[in-house]
Amino acid sequence: QKEVEQNSGPLSVPEGAIASLNCTYSDRGSQSFFWYRQYSGKSPELIMSIYSNGDKEDGRFTAQLNKASQYVSLLIRDSQPSDSATYLCAVNQSNDYKLSFGAGTTVTVRA
Amino acid sequence: KAGVTQTPRYLIKTRGQQVTLSCSPISGHRSVSWYQQTPGQGLQFLFEYFSETQRNKGNFPGRFSGRQFSNSRSEMNVSTLELGDSALYLCASSQRGGNNEQFFGPGTRLTVL
Repeated sequence: QKEVEQNSGPLSVPEGAIASLNCTYSDRGSQSFFWYRQYSGKSPELIMSIYSNGDKEDGRFTAQLNKASQYVSLLIRDSQPSDSATYLCAVNQSNDYKLSFGAGTTVTVRA
Repeated sequence: KAGVTQTPRYLIKTRGQQVTLSCSPISGHRSVSWYQQTPGQGLQFLFEYFSETQRNKGNFPGRFSGRQFSNSRSEMNVSTLELGDSALYLCASSQRGGNNEQFFGPGTRLTVL
């Protein structure tokens, strides 16, 4: 079982729609969860971090965490063409000083 | 505040050579992590340093090594390069590592011929 798994893409959504990205993790002791955005040819950029169960909103982005289900998600509201990128879910497992990454979900926003 | 810087940005080496990559973290950050990104394996953790001490190491052969200096700058070294070492090498800095947010540098693109 992979440590961090993301829903397979690619995900294509029309402009203005909601993009929903999902991520599950295997270590129940994981404490911190992050979403990164990576444009083609660029390095990952941190867009959200979440540590507690529930929702966390930042602009058009909402991260949702459910530790009991070992599930974290990212919603992108009012999707824009500039949101077209690969989104990486990262998990810090039991504070072992490393991030484990999912394979990423590529999102394409159609104008 | 300046971001994470990595040098060089691009490298072309031949098999059997060695290479040293450098990373300067965000000012005030004491934790530096290194990752390798390839199309087939995705982002894989190499090692993490905090206050000149390696706290964690990923599943890479001993040809991959690193160190951190007293000013928190870090270097990683790959010896006896193999074709499979071609990848984007990313450095990420964090205030203390662990649960803290990590911020990536632009990466060093290594091509091994």
